[in-house]
Amino acid sequence: EVQLVESGGGLLQPGRSLKLSCTASGFTFDDFAMHWVRQAPGKGLEWVSGINWNSGLTAYAGSVKGRFTISRDNAKNSLYLQMNNLRPEDMAFYYCAKDLDRSWYRVVLDNWGQGTLVTVSS
Amino acid sequence: QSVLTQPPSVSAAPGQKVTISCSGSNSNIGKNYVSWYQQVPGTAPKLLIYDNDKRPSGIPDRFSASKSGTSATLGITGLQTGDEADYYCGTLDTSLNVGVFGGGTKVTVL
Repeated sequence: EVQLVESGGGLLQPGRSLKLSCTASGFTFDDFAMHWVRQAPGKGLEWVSGINWNSGLTAYAGSVKGRFTISRDNAKNSLYLQMNNLRPEDMAFYYCAKDLDRSWYRVVLDNWGQGTLVTVSS
Repeated sequence: QSVLTQPPSVSAAPGQKVTISCSGSNSNIGKNYVSWYQQVPGTAPKLLIYDNDKRPSGIPDRFSASKSGTSATLGITGLQTGDEADYYCGTLDTSLNVGVFGGGTKVTVL
């Protein structure tokens, strides 16, 4: 059974940094692209970032480009999202999601974690 | 403002059918496959449809979808109370080089 477990969320002030983690199990992690998707409370889904199976290609939403960095450690079956210079509008549940393909641009998210909440407030 | 446009809500009685539209452009739906996701309140999204019209294993055939040009449609037949959820379309936007989702459609079973 595929399992994706996010961690690292919390409450922090604007301008601070935070690193989210996602630990995967139940599948061959390095065979698949991975994504981060966020959802502000009561709002819709927003794709944040994607990474290829071998970290060779990454992509970011315009709203986070230059502030967020996606990475993965295939030896540890883990996905990460380094978030710098956080803004109040970054406050959301952050979901880790597995792609059906090796390439992030397939954008078929066939398994999702339960999400971790990031709150940005002074 | 989402790149893909969906109606905010649709509703129908149990046993009836609903359709949800997803409108995009030549740089997203017009060039790429569309997926659909179901999100029951308080839970993570779940993949319902991928590659325009394919169902993952375990998804009942009451759920179907199609694509034509720059629009896609999700249909749910034999509506059940358990189908009450938010539904999102998603795809790649080739010009922006990002994943994109619709704003979501809330399905209410009357």
